[in-house]
Amino acid sequence: EVQLVESGGGLVKPGGSLRLSCAASGFTFSHAWMIWVRQAPGKGLEWVGRIKSKAEGGTTHYAAPVGGRFTISRDDSENTLYLQMNSLKAEDTAVYYCHYTTHAPAFVDYWGQGTLVTVSS
Amino acid sequence: DIVMTQSPDSLAVSLGERATINCKSSRSVLYSSDNKNYLSWYQQKPGQPPKLLIYWASTRESGVPDRFSGSGSGTDFTLTISSLQAEDVAVYYCHQYYTTLWTFGQGTKLEIK
Repeated sequence: EVQLVESGGGLVKPGGSLRLSCAASGFTFSHAWMIWVRQAPGKGLEWVGRIKSKAEGGTTHYAAPVGGRFTISRDDSENTLYLQMNSLKAEDTAVYYCHYTTHAPAFVDYWGQGTLVTVSS
Repeated sequence: DIVMTQSPDSLAVSLGERATINCKSSRSVLYSSDNKNYLSWYQQKPGQPPKLLIYWASTRESGVPDRFSGSGSGTDFTLTISSLQAEDVAVYYCHQYYTTLWTFGQGTKLEIK
């Protein structure tokens, strides 16, 4: 059974930093492209970024609002995905979801339950 | 980035009636090499993560009731619920995975009239 469990959320001051973790199990994590998606309170889903597998270069891509401030990384030995968030702003307040999806050979799609990040003084 | 625009923003439909949600992408998400539309639909209920309903624009995810269907190609897509049930009250999102940077529509809130 695939499980994605996020942790590390909490209250942080504007300009501060926070690192989120996503512990993965039930699939071959090292082969997976992993994604972060966020949702501000009462708002819609926003794609944050993605990291490819190390075999595919471990390339990362970020949405414009977080580029240069957020960094996605992975530890395949621990089956864990990370989101390092720096220079946090009030508008980064959101539930952050870890997302695993593959489109071939079969389409699979799993989400964690999310972790809440609140940026406030 | 591809911008996904859904309409309407909210929708109230009577139980047993048809619900239709539209999604328009700012450019085509049809990949010519495999003739697939890189578009999916999600359902999200309060306090829960999104749930995949439809992928490749029209393929229903396993376990999703057959009253849910997806259609469209290129830039214009539709999610249809043929006979609304009470448990279908949720927010629905379209999502493109065609480009390097994936994006979601703004969501459509579906309620019972």
